[in-house]
Amino acid sequence: IAGITQAPTSQILAAGRRMTLRCTQDMRHNAMYWYRQDLGLGLRLIHYSNTAGTTGKGEVPDGYSVSRANTDDFPLTLASAVPSQTSVYFCASSYTPPRGGSTDTQYFGPGTRLTVL
Amino acid sequence: RKEVEQDPGPFNVPEGATVAFNCTYSNSASQSFFWYRQDCRKEPKLLMSVYSSGNEDGRFTAQLNRASQYISLLIRDSKLSDSATYLCVVNMEKFYFGTGTSLTVIP
Repeated sequence: IAGITQAPTSQILAAGRRMTLRCTQDMRHNAMYWYRQDLGLGLRLIHYSNTAGTTGKGEVPDGYSVSRANTDDFPLTLASAVPSQTSVYFCASSYTPPRGGSTDTQYFGPGTRLTVL
Repeated sequence: RKEVEQDPGPFNVPEGATVAFNCTYSNSASQSFFWYRQDCRKEPKLLMSVYSSGNEDGRFTAQLNRASQYISLLIRDSKLSDSATYLCVVNMEKFYFGTGTSLTVIP
């Protein structure tokens, strides 16, 4: 693996089904993020994790959950998908100095295109 | 008010033209600033960081004006391959993305 990967690339899902989007990075970045991107709304932060074992809510967290069991993986789960969750989902990672200072730039995965019917 | 605001465009310019994008941000405590490029249906990719003193990378120049809370991106001698959406990004504990400015370079 080089960089950050996401799976699946795309998915069509029936409403009410549970779905987990996977994200893995090999850059040893401490921070990871999930965004959704919708036309005209730009990238909106769903959840983030500053370090393994911790997570936080972003701008649009409802209907989504995350976990960060280790540094490399940051899965996003839709417990019961709804059509409004149709979107393109991007995972990203960055390095944040542990004792403060500017966070390095974010690197994005290729995205997952999710359609909920 | 949104944390980051950009003119969505679209900007349609001929090859060889110079084009400039501006972006304003609301939080004066913002720490770092970036321009990202996003091609259709692809992930955003870092174009350049923006430093207080301004910085240049080939045909691209980025500037930051903290007093007025805006950043800019200047593209000189536009190429067809510059056609993309350009995202302004501001970091203040979290990353805040603008909705993007669409650029099409016309032959």
